[in-house]
Amino acid sequence: GAGVSQSPRYKVAKRGQDVALRCDPISGHVSLFWYQQALGQGPEFLTYFQNEAQLDKSGLPSDRFFAERPEGSVSTLKIQRTQQEDSAVYLCASSLSSGSQETQYFGPGTRLLVL
Amino acid sequence: EDQVTQSPEALRLQEGESSSLNCSYTVSGLRGLFWYRQDPGKGPEFLFTLYSAGEEKEKERLKATLTKKESFLHITAPKPEDSATYLCAVQAFNSNYQLIWGAGTKLIIKP
Repeated sequence: GAGVSQSPRYKVAKRGQDVALRCDPISGHVSLFWYQQALGQGPEFLTYFQNEAQLDKSGLPSDRFFAERPEGSVSTLKIQRTQQEDSAVYLCASSLSSGSQETQYFGPGTRLLVL
Repeated sequence: EDQVTQSPEALRLQEGESSSLNCSYTVSGLRGLFWYRQDPGKGPEFLFTLYSAGEEKEKERLKATLTKKESFLHITAPKPEDSATYLCAVQAFNSNYQLIWGAGTKLIIKP
């Protein structure tokens, strides 16, 4: 079956540009997560959705970061006025339910480079 | 503060040379500990979940174990295709979903 997909896989942006990163979770998965991963580090939590509700956005680094999941399936992470420090891999993960101890399944990530 | 530390940062082994990776954690109550494998340019791939001290799980050449303070990922007679970064993450009782991640161990198996 299809796993989590993300697009684009690579994005180069000039400083100050806005970018939009897309995540298609596994069909039927209730929970969706966005992470930021710097080179040589583990993923850092950004935000969490349960269906269309954004229940936790405590990891978003600034108000330039915005995420949505309007119909409870596809999600978009938008970064406004990109800065060089935004360069990283952005990972999306989904899990079947909202229960604890659920396994999170990851997409391949979007590698963002801000010049 | 909840924290996960993995060691070593990198490990080079000859094919067939068994070894262990360590994941030490401090959390206010453990809901679960997760092991993932990450290949270059890809997202983390789920391997195991461990829930309580004493628990062990195996998959091919990998065996994960858990104590009250740490987890080990034992790799027996590794092959070059086992080369990857192995990530450990924990979920604490004070969260239903957030994972706290270690920085990973980069494992290189030389033929």
